[in-house]
Amino acid sequence: AQTVTQSQPEMSVQEAETVTLSCTYDTSESDYYLFWYKQPPSRQMILVIRQEAYKQQNATENRFSVNFQKAAKSFSLKISDSQLGDAAMYFCAYRSNTNAGKSTFGDGTTLTVKP
Amino acid sequence: DTEVTQTPKHLVMGMTNKKSLKCEQHMGHRAMYWYKQKAKKPPELMFVYSYEKLSINESVPSRFSPECPNSSLLNLHLHALQPEDSALYLCASSQRGETGRTIYFGEGSWLTVV
Repeated sequence: AQTVTQSQPEMSVQEAETVTLSCTYDTSESDYYLFWYKQPPSRQMILVIRQEAYKQQNATENRFSVNFQKAAKSFSLKISDSQLGDAAMYFCAYRSNTNAGKSTFGDGTTLTVKP
Repeated sequence: DTEVTQTPKHLVMGMTNKKSLKCEQHMGHRAMYWYKQKAKKPPELMFVYSYEKLSINESVPSRFSPECPNSSLLNLHLHALQPEDSALYLCASSQRGETGRTIYFGEGSWLTVV
């Protein structure tokens, strides 16, 4: 079974600064997807960024980028130029591309942005 | 457009009531999901429908009954719930259920059982 570990229950960052959220996972599969979701106090889960395991290039979406290290099974999220609206709980998620469509989520990291 | 719409947004029900949560998507997705989420916890998968057929039931108690009338709609029928069932219920969809396609979530329905 796959596991996803987010070792930082809480993180804080100053507005306009950069912060990195950590995620590691364990799997024996070679074909899978990884995601970062953001869940603000409104509670809607919003897709931030996704990475296909077969792609070596790290995904980027505007101020959000990932550092995907497949051999190390690490998938960290970097948020640049942090904004107050980035404050939320962030979940890292794993999804197999070969088995039944279950996703495995980490326990989440609560990000606080200080003005 | 990556919208999944859930109604109602808030629901308060007694333990003897029967109510339903509804979910709709118009993205042509063929897989739809129900998740349950407690405060400060990750979502827990309850059910997956793939091509309108129930493909995954994560040993959910029978007081929760899913229904998929067509490829765009997903319902969750609730009956004789317990206070511990109070949670945020998230509906989601993806292009297909079996592979690693992105799952898109709705805003959720807050359920309180009194």
